[in-house]
Amino acid sequence: DIQMTQSPSSLSASVGDRVTITCRASQSISDYLNWYQQKPGKAPELLIYAASTLQSGVPSRFSGSGSGTDFTLTISSLQPEDFATYSCQQTHGNPYTFGQGTKLEIK
Amino acid sequence: EVQLVESGGGLVQPGGSLRLSCAASGFTFSNFWMSWVRQAPGKGLEWVANIKQDGSDKYYVDSVKGRFTISRDNAKNSLYLQMNSLRAEDMAVYYCARVGGWYGGNSGPDYWGQGTLVTVSS
Repeated sequence: DIQMTQSPSSLSASVGDRVTITCRASQSISDYLNWYQQKPGKAPELLIYAASTLQSGVPSRFSGSGSGTDFTLTISSLQPEDFATYSCQQTHGNPYTFGQGTKLEIK
Repeated sequence: EVQLVESGGGLVQPGGSLRLSCAASGFTFSNFWMSWVRQAPGKGLEWVANIKQDGSDKYYVDSVKGRFTISRDNAKNSLYLQMNSLRAEDMAVYYCARVGGWYGGNSGPDYWGQGTLVTVSS
């Protein structure tokens, strides 16, 4: 199975900060990498697919990059509604594994 | 508007069975792969199973193989997950999700239901 490792596991930041979350795959997954945002008690929402394509309706302050084994999710200027848990997922090979999640908290 | 509504969760004893259902609307159900994804309390997301548009291909995470069966009824716009021989570690919120399709079956979910809680306890 392909292991997905996110860092950091948690992060404290302030409104207006630039934040980067990293996701590393245990083997090359090309660009079969998606990012999700989840708020407490809610279902996840797709932010980025194919490593760098912004899902329709997602604010442009979110961006994704990377290919192969190393990927990043960047939020250019944190807004109050961005405090949530972010997870990456690879869909290169079954099982389609998720990272453990990064909890973004208000400083 | 895409809507996915799960039902069928509840309390079940270890070794018992449950059948989850997901009613889909707002899109052409038969055109999309579909998934089940679960989340144990306080834990991360875990992909459980995928099913192809016509039901001909199905994939499972190893931990549920031989116990869970994913199926669909395109005439009823419905997705199912039959769960047998349930274990404590299967306790989770189970989400029905539409597979986005940008890379065919190798895509992630783009729409999710609200989830249904499965509790496995004696």
